[in-house]
Amino acid sequence: EVQLVESGGGLVQPGRSLKLSCLASGFTFSNYGMNWIRQAPGKGLEWVASISSSSSYIYYADTVKGRFTISRDNAKNTLYLQMTSLRSEDTALYYCAKGPRRGYYFDYWGQGVMVTVSS
Amino acid sequence: DVQMTQSLSYLAASPGESVSISCKASKSISNYLAWYQQKPGEAYKLLIYSGSTLQSGTPSRFSGSGSGTDFTLTIRSLEPEDFGLYYCQQYYEKPWTFGGGTKLELK
Repeated sequence: EVQLVESGGGLVQPGRSLKLSCLASGFTFSNYGMNWIRQAPGKGLEWVASISSSSSYIYYADTVKGRFTISRDNAKNTLYLQMTSLRSEDTALYYCAKGPRRGYYFDYWGQGVMVTVSS
Repeated sequence: DVQMTQSLSYLAASPGESVSISCKASKSISNYLAWYQQKPGEAYKLLIYSGSTLQSGTPSRFSGSGSGTDFTLTIRSLEPEDFGLYYCQQYYEKPWTFGGGTKLELK
């Protein structure tokens, strides 16, 4: 059974940093692209970042480019999202999602971790 | 960016009925469209990809259709567990974008 468990969320002041983790199990992590998607309170879903299986290809939404860094450790079956220069508009539930063998849809999702940016 | 529009934010129906949820793209996305379901307290679940291909485990009462800019998710003979939120997503080009969601409620 595929499981994705996010951690690392919390309350952080504007301008500070936070690092999210996503521990994956139930599939060969190193074979699949991974993604972060977020949902602000009362808002829709927003794709944040994607990383290919070997980290060769990385993509970001313009809203986070230059501030967020997606990475992975295939030996630890873990996906990361380093978030810097956080803004109030980054407040959201952040989801880790697995990609399929081909394509950029999301075939398994975690339950999400909340990030609140506020002074 | 490709804008994805789900024209209905809410849809009320009864078990046993059939419903259709629409999703419109601001430009042609071929069939690079996925549908997701979310129920309270549960993770998002992929239902359909490539516009009409059922993800493993998706009940056959779900079907997807469309290509280009107009897409439809149809649920035949609603079951109680089908009530929840439904989102479409295009993966034709970055940034991957989602529709605003349609909440399927019990009438």
